[in-house]
Amino acid sequence: IAGITQAPTSQILAAGRRMTLRCTQDMRHNAMYWYRQDLGLGLRLIHYSNTAGTTGKGEVPDGYSVSRANTDDFPLTLASAVPSQTSVYFCASSGNEGSDTQYFGPGTRLTVL
Amino acid sequence: GQNIDQPTEMTATEGAIVQINCTYQTSGFNGLFWYQQHAGEAPTFLSYNVLDGLEEKGRFSSFLSRSKGYSYLLLKELQMKDSASYLCAVRDSDYKLSFGAGTTVTVRA
Repeated sequence: IAGITQAPTSQILAAGRRMTLRCTQDMRHNAMYWYRQDLGLGLRLIHYSNTAGTTGKGEVPDGYSVSRANTDDFPLTLASAVPSQTSVYFCASSGNEGSDTQYFGPGTRLTVL
Repeated sequence: GQNIDQPTEMTATEGAIVQINCTYQTSGFNGLFWYQQHAGEAPTFLSYNVLDGLEEKGRFSSFLSRSKGYSYLLLKELQMKDSASYLCAVRDSDYKLSFGAGTTVTVRA
């Protein structure tokens, strides 16, 4: 693994289903982030984690949850997906608990029908 | 919170120069970033300004005026591969990034 990986690359999901998007980084970065990107709105922060064991809410946290059990992994869970959660999801990480530049994973394209 | 504005689209000719402006209103400023994003790909880091002035990196330069809440990204000697979206992002005192909606630059031959 080099950098940040995300899985799946894309997914079509029925409304009401539970879904976990995976994010793994091998750069030993303290801070990790989840964003969604929608046309005309830019990237919006969903949740973040400054260090393993801690998480915080971003601008649009409703309907999403995260966990940070270790440094490398930061999964994002949609407990009961709704069509408005159709988006492209990017995971990012940065060193020094967020004071360094953020680097992005390749993204997951999620469609909720 | 942050309010970040940048133009939606710009078109320029190969070999020309394009300047993408970004204005922001912030409750706490801790740096401004520019990212490039090609269609269907992840954003990639271009530049970072935290002090006033110009930062130059090859064909790309970025300028910041904190008193005016203003930055620009200058792309020189445009190439076809520069066709992409350019995202302005402001970092707050908690190290969180807020992004503008992005400027789509189209380079024509």
